[in-house]
Amino acid sequence: DQQVKQNSPSLSVQEGRISILNCDYTNSMFDYFLWYKKYPAEGPTFLISISSIKDKNEDGRFTVFLNKSAKHLSLHIVPSQPGDSAVYFCAASYTGANNLFFGTGTRLTVIP
Amino acid sequence: DADVTQTPRNRITKTGKRIMLECSQTKGHDRMYWYRQDPGLGLQLIYYSFDVKDINKGEISDGYSVSRQAQAKFSLSLESAIPNQTALYFCATSDSTLSGRETQYFGPGTRLLVL
Repeated sequence: DQQVKQNSPSLSVQEGRISILNCDYTNSMFDYFLWYKKYPAEGPTFLISISSIKDKNEDGRFTVFLNKSAKHLSLHIVPSQPGDSAVYFCAASYTGANNLFFGTGTRLTVIP
Repeated sequence: DADVTQTPRNRITKTGKRIMLECSQTKGHDRMYWYRQDPGLGLQLIYYSFDVKDINKGEISDGYSVSRQAQAKFSLSLESAIPNQTALYFCATSDSTLSGRETQYFGPGTRLLVL
C-alpha cells in the first residue's frame, strides 16, 4: 500500500516560471519529509527536507511547503531552469522508522 | 570520487543464475540499504543494515540475500535470478541519528536484466 503518493507522473514548465511538484501521504506518523532529484543513469540525490514542526523550508530556488492537516507537501522551484529537468521523488519517514518511504516520482521537464 | 559506488553498473544474466551486486561507501556511515526501482514505481526497500552485525529484511526481501562484509561494504545477492527481478537497484547509506531525521545518500544504481 503506497503511503506516499505523487499523482502527477510528469510536469512541463517553461524556463523561468515556477514548477510546483506535489506529494500526498497517508501515514499520520510521518514527521520528516524529503525531496530527491534523479537524473538518468544516476542515483537519487538529496535536495531538501522539512520537519513536521515547520510548514516551510527554503534553500535557494527550492522551497518545500508542508500542510499537515491535509497530509500534503509541495516543492516549489523558482525560477525553473533547464538543468532542473529530472525525476523528483518525495520521501517520508518518522522517528524510529528504519527506512524512507518513497513516492513514485514526477518527471519535470523545463522547456527552454 | 563518488561517496557511494556500485558494481557492476549494468548486468545481463539468465534465469536461475546466481549474481551479486556490490556496494561500497566512503562516507563512514553506519547504515546501508538496498532498494529496487521498477518503472512507474517508487523505490522499494529490499534489505537494510544498521551495522556490521545487523541485517534486516525490508518490504520485498524474498528472493534476495545480503552480506555486510564491513562497515563500508554491503552486497546484495540473487540466489536464483528470475525475470521479474529485472529492475534498477540502488544502494544507499545514512548516518545513524536518534531523531530518525536521517538523509540517505544513494549510489548510481545497477541496471539488471534477467533473461
